[in-house]
Amino acid sequence: GIQVEQSPPDLILQEGANSTLRCNFSDSVNNLQWFHQNPWGQLINLFYIPSGTKQNGRLSATTVATERYSLLYISSSQTTDSGVYFCAREETSGSRLTFGEGTQLTVNP
Amino acid sequence: EAGVTQFPSHSVIEKGQTVTLRCDPISGHDNLYWYRRVMGKEIKFLLHFVKESKQDESGMPNNRFLAERTGGTYSTLKVQPAELEDSGVYFCASSQDTGMLTDTQYFGPGTRLTVL
Repeated sequence: GIQVEQSPPDLILQEGANSTLRCNFSDSVNNLQWFHQNPWGQLINLFYIPSGTKQNGRLSATTVATERYSLLYISSSQTTDSGVYFCAREETSGSRLTFGEGTQLTVNP
Repeated sequence: EAGVTQFPSHSVIEKGQTVTLRCDPISGHDNLYWYRRVMGKEIKFLLHFVKESKQDESGMPNNRFLAERTGGTYSTLKVQPAELEDSGVYFCASSQDTGMLTDTQYFGPGTRLTVL
């Protein structure tokens, strides 16, 4: 089956630091999404990014589909950025998402 | 526009009891998905509805789980009887069916199920 691997599994930062989270996938991308699961368990859509680069405030994401990876950049991290970051890819249009195991991010004040 | 809503937000039940989770997708979204995150592991797909039809139910763990989407609007996921290993967070998601390109799947806030 399709594999989605995320790294690092855990990351601890001081407030204000920058970070890069990586997502590797084993097959071509039809759809790739990044999510943030906050401490209350809610899953928040961050980016829908099958290819190219997008930015939203302090967050940006880049997917290089030909090399089968995506990166999520967090700049000037804040304590509210803490939580688990998931990437997920869609196998075919409109089908299930396959999630990675997530990166647990802790931002300390 | 209202997002995906789920009810209840939390449920605590004893082993052997029955629980029914509800999901209301974004209005107009034909695709509805159920996922769950168990024991801090990755989020796993359960099943996919297109309108009222089950498009893919290959992720359903066993016959204790029953999902319905009568009328193609809201969906319910029933667990009967619940077991300890069913504890986790159950997410619902919905997306449009444009017929051409994939659309983002929008997730609800989840239902945290605890089976004691």
